[in-house]
Amino acid sequence: KNQVEQSPQSLIILEGKNCTLQCNYTVSPFSNLRWYKQDTGRGPVSLTIMTFSENTKSNGRYTATLDADTKQSSLHITASQLSDSASYICVGGTASKLTFGTGTRLQVTL
Amino acid sequence: DTEVTQTPKHLVMGMTNKKSLKCEQHMGHRAMYWYKQKAKKPPELMFVYSYEKLSINESVPSRFSPECPNSSLLNLHLHALQPEDSALYLCASSLTGTSGRGGSYNEQFFGPGTRLTVL
Repeated sequence: KNQVEQSPQSLIILEGKNCTLQCNYTVSPFSNLRWYKQDTGRGPVSLTIMTFSENTKSNGRYTATLDADTKQSSLHITASQLSDSASYICVGGTASKLTFGTGTRLQVTL
Repeated sequence: DTEVTQTPKHLVMGMTNKKSLKCEQHMGHRAMYWYKQKAKKPPELMFVYSYEKLSINESVPSRFSPECPNSSLLNLHLHALQPEDSALYLCASSLTGTSGRGGSYNEQFFGPGTRLTVL
């Protein structure tokens, strides 16, 4: 059964600090790993997409890594802002069939 | 135009009502998706349309009926829903859909969702 597990489930950090979210996946077939940001009650917004041959990809203050051998990915957020407060969802799969993780709920405070 | 729009934003309906959710994109995408998301849970795939043909139906109950009138529009017709069907319904689109193996990928763009409440 395809699974995407994320840790931690929730995280509180101070504004300006960095944080790293983790994702372990068991997905087949697999061709890409995605990270989405989702505000409560809104649709997910894509942050990064990596194919299995890519190791890292950045989007502004967001940097994702992928280790296809260990089936692990991480999302690093640099210099966090209050607007980063959201759920971050790791997603693995193919072009049309995705397996979503349950997300990490991040809260950035003053 | 680089967004997916969904209407209505909120919908409250009784179990005997018939209603429809609408989704629209003008990015030239040829694959469109319906997802259901319960609170604090990840989105669950319901249907995939590829080139206006239904390509994936994830064993969704028949009280949900999708329709793709053209490459830009996707509807979800609702009839005789149950209270447990209350959720956020998300539409997404991607350049292509059911193709894409061996390293290829397609970014899915999500709409803002329709918050559905069934009384």
